[in-house]
Amino acid sequence: NAGVTQTPKFRVLKTGQSMTLLCAQDMNHEYMYWYRQDPGMGLRLIHYSVGEGTTAKGEVPDGYNVSRLKKQNFLLGLESAAPSQTSVYFCASSPMRQGPVAVGEQYFGPGTRLTVT
Amino acid sequence: GNSVTQMEGPVTLSEEAFLTINCTYTATGYPSLFWYVQYPGEGLQLLLKATKADDKGSNKGFEATYRKETTSFHLEKGSVQVSDSAVYFCALINAGKSTFGDGTTLTVKP
Repeated sequence: NAGVTQTPKFRVLKTGQSMTLLCAQDMNHEYMYWYRQDPGMGLRLIHYSVGEGTTAKGEVPDGYNVSRLKKQNFLLGLESAAPSQTSVYFCASSPMRQGPVAVGEQYFGPGTRLTVT
Repeated sequence: GNSVTQMEGPVTLSEEAFLTINCTYTATGYPSLFWYVQYPGEGLQLLLKATKADDKGSNKGFEATYRKETTSFHLEKGSVQVSDSAVYFCALINAGKSTFGDGTTLTVKP
């Protein structure tokens, strides 16, 4: 049981390049999330998904796109990278419900450190 | 919208001191509340949770009580250890959408 994995762990991009970050979970969780973490700013929600085939915007969605074609995978895309997108990106998943109780605890991946020059 | 406000850090304590990290929130409805911990170079790990008013979450000597009347979820520990040094995040989930505080860095000195 690998939990939540993220690919790649590190990446350096030039301004204007594109890339896709992959998040995979093997816990059969319904909900998945993408965050960015910047110094002194905590975690900010980029996009999230409440189930396969559905996505929703978070707090800072501009410049990012996501897809959830399979329940276990959540992809984060940067179409045209900018230096302001230099950050550490975390993916998380959540079962949201355990029986009749909405729990909502999240399980985090190890992060992807992205630098845009 | 939802928001979470944590006490500003960093916090530096001596070993065996009492810890309080304040957290207040604004949200409509009935959010679930969480404390997460992050060690250097790692992702966040759930520390404790509470899903309804007056619930007390506890784990590894840490405690927090969901206070709806004061919209607070303060983290406490009676006697901190050097190994508790980390960044602590307060968070809520409301209708599937999550909101995190900015984090509080705790350093415990021997």
